Amino acid sequence: QLQLQESGPGLVKPSETLSLTCTVSGGSISSGSYYWAWIRQPPGKRLEWIGNVNYSGRTYYNPSLRSRFTISKDTSENQFSLKLSSVTASDTAVYYCAGVYYDSGGYCHGMDVWGQGTTVTVSS
Amino acid sequence: DIVMTQSPDSLAVSLGERATINCKSSQSVLYSSNNKNYLAWYQQKPGQPPKLLIYGASIRESGVPDRFSGSGSGTDFTLSISSLQAEDVAVYYCQQYCSTPYTFGQGTKLEIK
Repeated sequence: QLQLQESGPGLVKPSETLSLTCTVSGGSISSGSYYWAWIRQPPGKRLEWIGNVNYSGRTYYNPSLRSRFTISKDTSENQFSLKLSSVTASDTAVYYCAGVYYDSGGYCHGMDVWGQGTTVTVSS
Repeated sequence: DIVMTQSPDSLAVSLGERATINCKSSQSVLYSSNNKNYLAWYQQKPGQPPKLLIYGASIRESGVPDRFSGSGSGTDFTLSISSLQAEDVAVYYCQQYCSTPYTFGQGTKLEIK
């Protein structure tokens, strides 16, 4: 059974770079059936899709969030990562990693597996 | 970006009664090449990540009780819970994944009356 687990610092200072990692277990990050996503949820706000990385390493980002985000994957560690530069208080949120499933016909089912989420607070 | 708007923001329903949540997208999420709706519903309980309930607007994810059903096409969608159980108390979100950026509704908080 596919499982995801986020890891990273819970507290980051303004202007620093946030680094989060999602470890995939029970399956391969190179599976052609999944794109790997980062989503965040600021306190009291709706879920916000940050971006995806697919099995070949191609990335897709939310243009509304500008270019501060970088998503990558490490096949040898079966992990994918999120880096956010120049953080501000508005980046305080619960950050989730998730798998976006595509069936054999190429149809997307949505995000069918999620990590538990990690709370990130930006404060000096 | 496609804006997803849910109604109502909160809803209180008696146990065993029907709950209905609506979701409207600012553009159609019906993909013309395969005639499929790229619309999902998620359930989020306190302290937990979202859980996929419905994809393709009406296809129940494996393991989801059949009291949950989704309907609609194009820009207007509905999530129904036929007979509310205590464990269904949660926030429900719709999401479009027709085009990036994927976007979510603001959420509907479902409580017991």
